[in-house]
Amino acid sequence: DSGVTQTPKHLITATGQRVTLRCSPRSGDLSVYWYQQSLDQGLQFLIQYYNGEERAKGNILERFSAQQFPDLHSELNLSSLELGDSALYFCASSAREGAITDTQYFGPGTRLTVL
Amino acid sequence: AQTVTQSQPEMSVQEAETVTLSCTYDTSESDYYLFWYKQPPSRQMILVIRQEAYKQQNATENRFSVNFQKAAKSFSLKISDSQLGDAAMYFCAYRSGATNKLIFGTGTLLAVQP
Repeated sequence: DSGVTQTPKHLITATGQRVTLRCSPRSGDLSVYWYQQSLDQGLQFLIQYYNGEERAKGNILERFSAQQFPDLHSELNLSSLELGDSALYFCASSAREGAITDTQYFGPGTRLTVL
Repeated sequence: AQTVTQSQPEMSVQEAETVTLSCTYDTSESDYYLFWYKQPPSRQMILVIRQEAYKQQNATENRFSVNFQKAAKSFSLKISDSQLGDAAMYFCAYRSGATNKLIFGTGTLLAVQP
């Protein structure tokens, strides 16, 4: 158990819909990262937040957005869903205050299926 | 842009034997970190081992060790005394010292034969 929690574990929805994925980082971690794992794209970095502020953006679609709240949990919002958005979405966390290393620890993922 | 290449889509090893998974990367940076993550059938991403580029000594974690060849930009993972529980997809990953995003390879699926 990495200490990172993600809900829900599975999500099945229809094209055109909007969903929200939730992530709680490890205790004390200030950074949250979102990754997408799909068959055709592999594992791709989407976005990073640090202590509530956006720090880095990767291959994140405009239909996707994220935020990190004052309690440090993060949400990834996916809208106007398409079949190709079906994937496993991981959240990872890192950067405890004062930590020398910055290893990312992954949550169990949310499996999104768009029908 | 940095890239990570894993040229072995699948590997197989007998229980108790040793196997080496290959990874090469491309970067012009001098400050970076390399990782191996394991993804078993549960799909959880589990950190196996990490290596800081500035360290010459190869990292070791119990039965897992790396062969880090900085000049060749190679970062292979050796698993000794393979166990059935080692069966998983293994991903090599690169992280720049300037950013925090991980860049992953395409993975190597390791099967362990009893």
